Amino acid sequence: DSGVTQTPKHLITATGQRVTLRCSPRSGDLSVYWYQQSLDQGLQFLIQYYNGEERAKGNILERFSAQQFPDLHSELNLSSLELGDSALYFCASSVDPQNPTDTQYFGPGTRLTVL
Amino acid sequence: DQQVKQNSPSLSVQEGRISILNCDYTNSMFDYFLWYKKYPAEGPTFLISISSIKDKNEDGRFTVFLNKSAKHLSLHIVPSQPGDSAVYFCAASVMNYGGSQGNLIFGKGTKLSVKP
Repeated sequence: DSGVTQTPKHLITATGQRVTLRCSPRSGDLSVYWYQQSLDQGLQFLIQYYNGEERAKGNILERFSAQQFPDLHSELNLSSLELGDSALYFCASSVDPQNPTDTQYFGPGTRLTVL
Repeated sequence: DQQVKQNSPSLSVQEGRISILNCDYTNSMFDYFLWYKKYPAEGPTFLISISSIKDKNEDGRFTVFLNKSAKHLSLHIVPSQPGDSAVYFCAASVMNYGGSQGNLIFGKGTKLSVKP
């Protein structure tokens, strides 16, 4: 157990809908990262937050947004869902991204299925 | 274009033998490399890392080798055990200006099967 929790574990929804994925980082970790893993793909970095502020953005669609709250948990919002958004969404957390050798610890993921 | 490539989708080895997982990268600016292991229905777990100033890092049965001139790294597992059966991801990053870690770029993974 990495100490990173993600809810829900599974989510099935329809095209055009909006969903929210939740992540609680390890105790003491200030940074949260979101990744998407589609079928036969590696993990694609979406976005990073550090202590409530957006730190870095990857290939995140405009239909997707995220935030990190004062208690450091994070939510990833996916709207106007399309079939291609079906994927595993992982959250990771780390202590100090200022450290170039900082290690990211991953949660178990949320499997999103868009029908 | 993929910056981190794991060209073998799968690898099968006998218990007790060496497993060698390979990873190639195209961006010469990468200066930190990691290996993650992933079991089904779980998130990736950090395994071992190496900085570009080194060419080898060892942790128990796991050793990572870095060949910067060839832009190639490999993970050696000796001896392999059935519990090592998992998907292994290679990842790389570029240190940001100011010294912080850049975003991790992952390969697509190699599925290792260790047969008893």
